[in-house]
Amino acid sequence: AQTVTQSQPEMSVQEAETVTLSCTYDTSESDYYLFWYKQPPSRQMILVIRQEAYKQQNATENRFSVNFQKAAKSFSLKISDSQLGDAAMYFCAYRKQYGNKLVFGAGTILRVKS
Amino acid sequence: EAGVAQSPRYKIIEKRQSVAFWCNPISGHATLYWYQQILGQGPKLLIQFQNNGVVDDSQLPKDRFSAERLKGVDSTLKIQPAKLEDSAVYLCASSLDSGRLTDTQYFGPGTRLTVL
Repeated sequence: AQTVTQSQPEMSVQEAETVTLSCTYDTSESDYYLFWYKQPPSRQMILVIRQEAYKQQNATENRFSVNFQKAAKSFSLKISDSQLGDAAMYFCAYRKQYGNKLVFGAGTILRVKS
Repeated sequence: EAGVAQSPRYKIIEKRQSVAFWCNPISGHATLYWYQQILGQGPKLLIQFQNNGVVDDSQLPKDRFSAERLKGVDSTLKIQPAKLEDSAVYLCASSLDSGRLTDTQYFGPGTRLTVL
């Protein structure tokens, strides 16, 4: 079974600085998808960024980018120019190539200091 | 575009009581998911519907949990009888079409259940 591990329960960053959240996963599949979801205190979870395993190029969405290391099964999220609105719980998630079941990590709480 | 709606937002019950949650997905979304998110953990899929048929319910405790999606739109999740360990946030999500590789799940605000 696939598992997703987020080893940082909590992280802090100063406003305007950069922070990296870590995620590792375990799978025997060669093709799959990886996601980072953001869950603010209001609890509405939203998709931040997605990476297809067959793509070598790291995904980027504005201030959010990933470092995808397939051999190491590592998928970290970098947030540049952190803003107060980035404060939330961040979940890393895995999905097989076919099928929709998301397997989530335990999450990392990100605090942004002004 | 309206998002995924859930009600109630909060529910407190005593153990052995019954409870039901309601979800209205985004209009036109064929696939609906129920997740259980226990405090300090990531969401865990309980059941997935494609229209009104069940695709995956492998992690649904069927002795006490049930779910239905009549007419392939709204869905209800029921717990009967509730146990203390059922205290969690129950998230509903929907997606356009589970057959698409780039299908994205959109989440509702969740229902926080406390079992005393």
